Parts: sequence; structure tokens; C-alpha cells
Amino acid sequence: GAGVSQTPSNKVTEKGKYVELRCDPISGHTALYWYRQSLGQGPEFLIYFQGTGAADDSGLPNDRFFAVRPEGSVSTLKIQRTERGDSAVYLCASSLLAGGINEQFFGPGTRLTVL
Amino acid sequence: KQEVTQIPAALSVPEGENLVLNCSFTDSAIYNLQWFRQDPGKGLTSLLLIQSSQREQTSGRLNASLDKSSGRSTLYIAASQPGDSATYLCAVPNDYKLSFGAGTTVTVRA
Repeated sequence: GAGVSQTPSNKVTEKGKYVELRCDPISGHTALYWYRQSLGQGPEFLIYFQGTGAADDSGLPNDRFFAVRPEGSVSTLKIQRTERGDSAVYLCASSLLAGGINEQFFGPGTRLTVL
Repeated sequence: KQEVTQIPAALSVPEGENLVLNCSFTDSAIYNLQWFRQDPGKGLTSLLLIQSSQREQTSGRLNASLDKSSGRSTLYIAASQPGDSATYLCAVPNDYKLSFGAGTTVTVRA
């Protein structure tokens, strides 16, 4: 079956613009996660969805970042008024169920560059 | 808060040599530990997942050990090849969030 997919694979935008990053999880996976990876570092947690609701958004850096998962499948990460410091690889993962015992499967990521 | 450390940050070996990559974590109450491979500009590929009840997990030339009590895991790659050149990351779940190390970047010289 298909893995986690993310679009676009690359996004270049100008400072101050709005961007949307999309994640398609593995079919049937109820939990979805967003991580951000800066150059030379490991991914850092942003937000976690269980079904349609954001169960934990404590990793979002500020209120310019927002994510939705309206039908419990596809998720969109939205960044307003982008800043150069937002440049990173944004990774999405999904798992069959929530909880640390469940393996997370990662997508290929979206590389965001803010000029 | 779970802290994950990977040493060394970078490693360069000649082809054929065995690789030993280290991962340490501060909170031993983990469900499992996962090793990933990341090629430049790419996403994460899962290599091995070791459950907390296991001490070892093997897949081909890869072998990962887990010592929960000492907060350590080691990834062994036998008979390295240039195609093994990549960054290797370990991660442990903190509830549902994964905490990652910064990775070890491996270069295998032909």
C-alpha cells in the first residue's frame, strides 16, 4: 500500500507570504504528526492529531503556525507571514493508533525555503 | 523531558569496515527505540524498531541493541558500503511524540 505522502516536495516563498503544506497519511491511520527539522538537527515535534482534533499542539513555535485535519485523514500545516527562520524540512508521520508503542511512518518531507 | 544524544556526530570509514553508531537517552521508561536513515534532502526511512522487551533486532547487515537500564542503543552495520553513506538518527517515544537525536553522518569511502 501507499506510504505517507507530502506535497509539495519543495516550496520557495518570500518573507511575509502564506504557505500551506499537505500531508496524506497511510490509509486507516488515526494518528498524524508534524515535525520540523532544521539543518544539522533531528526532527522536533510540532503537533499531533488523533482523528480530526489536535490532541497536542504544544510544539508549534508561535501563532503564525496552524494545522488542520478536517476529515481525520489529510492534514494541512499552514504558516502565515513566513519568516526566514521558518526555513526547514517539514515532516509528517502517521501511526495506526496513538501512543508511544505504535510505530510512526514518515513521509518524504517538504523543504521550505523562505527568502 | 527525554533527551537523546548521538555520538559521534560524523564518521568516515573505508569500505568494508564495520560501523558502530551510538545513541543514548535519559529516561529509560521507553516503549521502543527506532533507528532511521536519512539521505541528503530526503525524508526518514525506518531501519529497525526495537521493542522495550527486546535486547536486539537484526535486519540484513544491520543489528541494533538496546540496554534500557543504561539508556543506550547501538546500531551496527557490517561490511560497510559506499551506499551506506547517510545520516542515521535514533528516536524514542515520549508518550506519542518522538524525541530524536541530532544524528550521526556516515561517509563510507570507496
